[in-house]
Amino acid sequence: NAGVTQTPKFQVLKTGQSMTLQCAQDMNHEYMSWYRQDPGMGLRLIHYSVGAGITDQGEVPNGYNVSRSTTEDFPLRLLSAAPSQTSVYFCASSSGLVIEQFFGPGTRLTVL
Amino acid sequence: AQKVTQAQTEISVVEKEDVTLDCVYETRDTTYYLFWYKQPPSGELVFLIRRNSFDEQNEISGRYSWNFQKSTSSFNFTITASQVVDSAVYFCALSATDTGRRALTFGSGTRLQVQP
Repeated sequence: NAGVTQTPKFQVLKTGQSMTLQCAQDMNHEYMSWYRQDPGMGLRLIHYSVGAGITDQGEVPNGYNVSRSTTEDFPLRLLSAAPSQTSVYFCASSSGLVIEQFFGPGTRLTVL
Repeated sequence: AQKVTQAQTEISVVEKEDVTLDCVYETRDTTYYLFWYKQPPSGELVFLIRRNSFDEQNEISGRYSWNFQKSTSSFNFTITASQVVDSAVYFCALSATDTGRRALTFGSGTRLQVQP
């Protein structure tokens, strides 16, 4: 199993550009989520999904969109990048049987 | 709403010292889970331990031990005989499950530096 994978690992955007951060898991987990990590603030929840076709907002959803068309994939879209979105983004997944969340390696995003 | 507080921003110890990382949580849910994750300098998040709200039994795993006390809403983590490889940021996290939501609320992390 590859676990949770994220692409790209690094990305630099200009203000106003859009892009999609990819996240995939091969553990058949129904629950997936996106977090951002900023210095000194721990991780904060952006969006989450409890299954294919079901998504909901987390603590800091503004400027981000998600969709969940399959169990495996949970992409995060930045609609119009802003410098405030410079951060490290982590995707995670878990199942009903395994409560702890497994995290991907992260994507470091810089918005200039 | 849930909240996790890690009051210690940074701790520096000398190798072989014991060190305790503090975690205090707030939740109104009756069923919840507490976690510790480790983030080494390489950046990945490594799951260390999970405890549910009905299991106050403390645990020892090698050099690691955890002390869960519902009465004080604390879930502290102790490393015995610390090693340089323990240097990392440690996060305490809470998942309150009464509503079925699985989201984690993280503390701000404690950076542990173990000096040789």
